Amino acid sequence: ETGVTQTPRHLVMGMTNKKSLKCEQHLGHNAMYWYKQSAKKPLELMFVYSLEERVENNSVPSRFSPECPNSSHLFLHLHTLQPEDSALYLCASSQEQGLAGYNEQFFGPGTRLTVL
Amino acid sequence: AQTVTQSQPEMSVQEAETVTLSCTYDTSESDYYLFWYKQPPSRQMILVIRQEAYKQQNATENRFSVNFQKAAKSFSLKISDSQLGDAAMYFCAYLNMDSNYQLIWGAGTKLIIKP
Repeated sequence: ETGVTQTPRHLVMGMTNKKSLKCEQHLGHNAMYWYKQSAKKPLELMFVYSLEERVENNSVPSRFSPECPNSSHLFLHLHTLQPEDSALYLCASSQEQGLAGYNEQFFGPGTRLTVL
Repeated sequence: AQTVTQSQPEMSVQEAETVTLSCTYDTSESDYYLFWYKQPPSRQMILVIRQEAYKQQNATENRFSVNFQKAAKSFSLKISDSQLGDAAMYFCAYLNMDSNYQLIWGAGTKLIIKP
């Protein structure tokens, strides 16, 4: 496996279900990201982990709960979601920079989530 | 706050022709990065080209080139000799020099290639 992988690729869940999205990166990066992609809207950054610590949480509802057990894995735990949470959820990784500068983000293929 | 605007929701071009996708942004910073990402129907987002704001020379990657107009805050992408594999969503993104994480994204332009 190379690059950034995400599972499952598709997920349908009811509003009362609990599910988790998984992301794994094989690039040796130490920063990982969750994005929400809705049709015709800019990507929304949800969470950022750097060196396994959460460094960004962009006012995301508590029904989304991230977990980063190590630098290669990132999870997004979902519970009591709403239909408006239906979207493509993208994971990305990058190399942490010691100083501010360019860091290319590498993306996974995404999980298409449908909340009924 | 920085914003990125892609005014063309959809563009189409004949195969082998040239197409330009527009992007404008708003910032008060002088040092930053700009990116074009491509998301094919398979959905894996990939970086096409990047530009450092302090560089006056326009970035070029094979058939892809940018027209970076810093004063006008414009960052357009030109695709020459369009190929069927270029069909995708194209996203323009901005990154502050002092932010390692917060890419600011445009809403995207869907590029259709006509055979």
